[in-house]
Order: sequence, then structure tokens, then C-alpha cells
Amino acid sequence: KNEVEQSPQNLTAQEGEFITINCSYSVGISALHWLQQHPGGGIVSLFMLSSGKKKHGRLIATINIQEKHSSLHITASHPRDSAVYICAYMNRDDKIIFGKGTRLHILP
Amino acid sequence: DAGVIQSPRHEVTEMGQEVTLRCKPISGHDYLFWYRQTMMRGLELLIYFNNNVPIDDSGMPEDRFSAKMPNASFSTLKIQPSEPRDSAVYFCASSFVDFSNEQFFGPGTRLTVL
Repeated sequence: KNEVEQSPQNLTAQEGEFITINCSYSVGISALHWLQQHPGGGIVSLFMLSSGKKKHGRLIATINIQEKHSSLHITASHPRDSAVYICAYMNRDDKIIFGKGTRLHILP
Repeated sequence: DAGVIQSPRHEVTEMGQEVTLRCKPISGHDYLFWYRQTMMRGLELLIYFNNNVPIDDSGMPEDRFSAKMPNASFSTLKIQPSEPRDSAVYFCASSFVDFSNEQFFGPGTRLTVL
């Protein structure tokens, strides 16, 4: 069964804090995406991972294929990072499965 | 490039009416995806195209939904007849290759069916 669990569902933190959002899945995958959905509704693709780690600015994404787990980290968080973060993967049957998202709120 | 363009941005219609959503992908992208987002179900893939050909439409909820891509620069998602449970935000996205590559999302169409 294709499942994906994101944690936490909601996260409120102070500006400057280090943020970690987790994504666990239950089946073998070929690629995992991290998406950011802004309060206005727009969606931006942050990372696509098939192994290892990627970094872009203050954002870092990691994936452990054996443990079926990925994390998104935000260093020196800022109020403009407030958004919903969604992980999604394509399984080996080429089906795209989305997580429910983590709602992040960074307080100034 | 202007990015992925969707129209209309908002659509309010009455139950039973036909609704057509439009999408213009980024030039040169071979893949086009239609997604639906609701509070209850989150984001769901409805259908995707490769080089204008539908590859996987298993996410299309029922026969009332149909999607076409007559050429590389245009796609439509049609709902006929529409029902209140179709109310959602519909996103179109495009990419150079399949889901193993970065996707570029349009701004979405917010559909309300009364």
C-alpha cells in the first residue's frame, strides 16, 4: 500500500530556529520531491532527491532510501519560510503519492 | 518565460454546468501534469501527458472528467457535468522530463461549484 507520513503536521517556531520536517514512506521509490506551498496558494518545487543530500541556500534535504525516510531542514528560519511543506514521491509503478503537508509558521 | 499559465484563476459555477480549465505549459517542457487539491484529500495527480499523449489517467475521478492536450502549448481539463464535490484548486505543472525532474506549477484555478 502506498503511504506517506509527514511530521509534524503543524510547527510554530521562532525566527532563527533550526527546523526539521520529516517524511516517511512505505514502498520503494525512484524519486522524492519536496514542495513549498505559500500562504497565497502557489506551489514551488524545492528539491528532487533520489539519494543522498541536496542544499539550496538555507534549505537542506536528505533522503535515506534504505530507511524510507527523508528530511527537510531549514537553517536560520525566517518568517518568509512560513508555508506548507509537502513531500511527494513516485513509486516504482510510476504513481505519484503526496503527503498531507507540514504547516510551518515562523514567528518574528 | 512567463511560467505555467492557467486560466481562469477563479471559476464559480452551478451544479450541472460544464467547466473547462486551461493550461499553457512552459515552452520546451515535454511533460504536463494536472493536479487537484482539496482540504480533505490534499494534492492528487489527476492525469499527466508526455509529448501531448496521456500517459496515466488513473487519477481521473470519473467519466465526468476529461483532459486533452491538442498541442505542446495547450491543455484543457473539462468537467461535465460539474458537482459541488468537484470544488477544489486545480493545478497544472510542467517539466522537462517526468516526475524525476523539477516541476513548475501554475498558479492554480480555484473552482467552486454551487
